[in-house]
Amino acid sequence: AQKVTQAQTEISVVEKEDVTLDCVYETRDTTYYLFWYKQPPSGELVFLIRRNSFDEQNEISGRYSWNFQKSTSSFNFTITASQVVDSAVYFCALSPGANSKLTFGKGITLSVRP
Amino acid sequence: SQTIHQWPATLVQPVGSPLSLECTVEGTSNPNLYWYRQAAGRGLQLLFYSVGIGQISSEVPQNLSASRPQDRQFILSSKKLLLSDSGFYLCAWNNRDTQYFGPGTRLTVL
Repeated sequence: AQKVTQAQTEISVVEKEDVTLDCVYETRDTTYYLFWYKQPPSGELVFLIRRNSFDEQNEISGRYSWNFQKSTSSFNFTITASQVVDSAVYFCALSPGANSKLTFGKGITLSVRP
Repeated sequence: SQTIHQWPATLVQPVGSPLSLECTVEGTSNPNLYWYRQAAGRGLQLLFYSVGIGQISSEVPQNLSASRPQDRQFILSSKKLLLSDSGFYLCAWNNRDTQYFGPGTRLTVL
């Protein structure tokens, strides 16, 4: 069975602070995919990143960066110099392979105050 | 480019009434399609998924059903709504190992 744990439920920071959102996963599959999605107040889930289990390279996209560590089964997401527009619920998700069902964590509500 | 549509955007229905939510994908063929529900408290629960016309897999037994009458159309239905059916319903499709989501339908059952 697959499981995704996002232990943080709510995080509040002041604009320009760095913030890290934690994600820990459990799976018995040797091949799997990890995802992060953003859900702004409008409700639509916005895809941010996909990482497969063979690629442990960290990734940076602008102010966003992701740290994937198979040794600790973690896929953490860091926002550098946070902005008010980053306020949203962030979901980490796991799937066993291509075109497979997603297992979501419960999400982290991030509030960035001006 | 591919786009996914859902309607209606919001819906208020009385308990015991029927339900029909529609999801349509454009710009692709034979996608995998998914229905999720997000109840208050924000967890996302997979309800149904479909790998082709007429092929529906149910993840959670409940009073909802799904159908796929056309390749790019996915419908979520109920004959009699319950209060517990209230929530935010999201449709998604697969493209190259990634699921992309529609704008969602917010359903309130009174």
